[in-house]
Amino acid sequence: AQKVTQAQTEISVVEKEDVTLDCVYETRDTTYYLFWYKQPPSGELVFLIRRNSFDEQNEISGRYSWNFQKSTSSFNFTITASQVVDSAVYFCALSEAGIYNQGGKLIFGQGTELSVKP
Amino acid sequence: DGGITQSPKYLFRKEGQNVTLSCEQNLNHDAMYWYRQDPGQGLRLIYYSQIVNDFQKGDIAEGYSVSREKKESFPLTVTSAQKNPTAFYLCASSKRTQKETQYFGPGTRLLVL
Repeated sequence: AQKVTQAQTEISVVEKEDVTLDCVYETRDTTYYLFWYKQPPSGELVFLIRRNSFDEQNEISGRYSWNFQKSTSSFNFTITASQVVDSAVYFCALSEAGIYNQGGKLIFGQGTELSVKP
Repeated sequence: DGGITQSPKYLFRKEGQNVTLSCEQNLNHDAMYWYRQDPGQGLRLIYYSQIVNDFQKGDIAEGYSVSREKKESFPLTVTSAQKNPTAFYLCASSKRTQKETQYFGPGTRLLVL
């Protein structure tokens, strides 16, 4: 079965703290894609990153970094030196590449609401 | 500027009424999707379309209908058969399906009067 679990429903930090959002996934496919999206209060989902299952390199983009570990089926997201503008709901999502997912459906976790206080 | 537009931003539905949510994209994407988001939950797929004049049911298609007469447009109709339509509806598009990244519109919030 395919599933994405974001166990942290809400996280609250003070500005400049580092914070890690956890994502654990289950899939039957050997080839799949993992995504992180940000949903600010306005509601629109903003794409942050995509990783392919065959590329386990970690990624850093400014204050954002992602740690992909196939051995633990995890794709965690870290924000360094958090800012108030980082306050949003963050979603992890999975798309399987096999014949069961011809349509490219995204399986979403339930989201983690991050609140960064000044 | 390329992007995805959804209208209206808020929509109110009366009992027994069908309502249509608009989704337009000028990204020249082949695939388009409709997702539903309920409070405190992730998104669930309603319908998707990989090409003009073709569309497929997602996980929660009951009570909804779609059409894809033009590449740029993928309207969603919430019919009276959908007994719990109050939700946030998000439209997305991608170059193709599966491996491509989906980009989302700003969403439509549907409320029942």
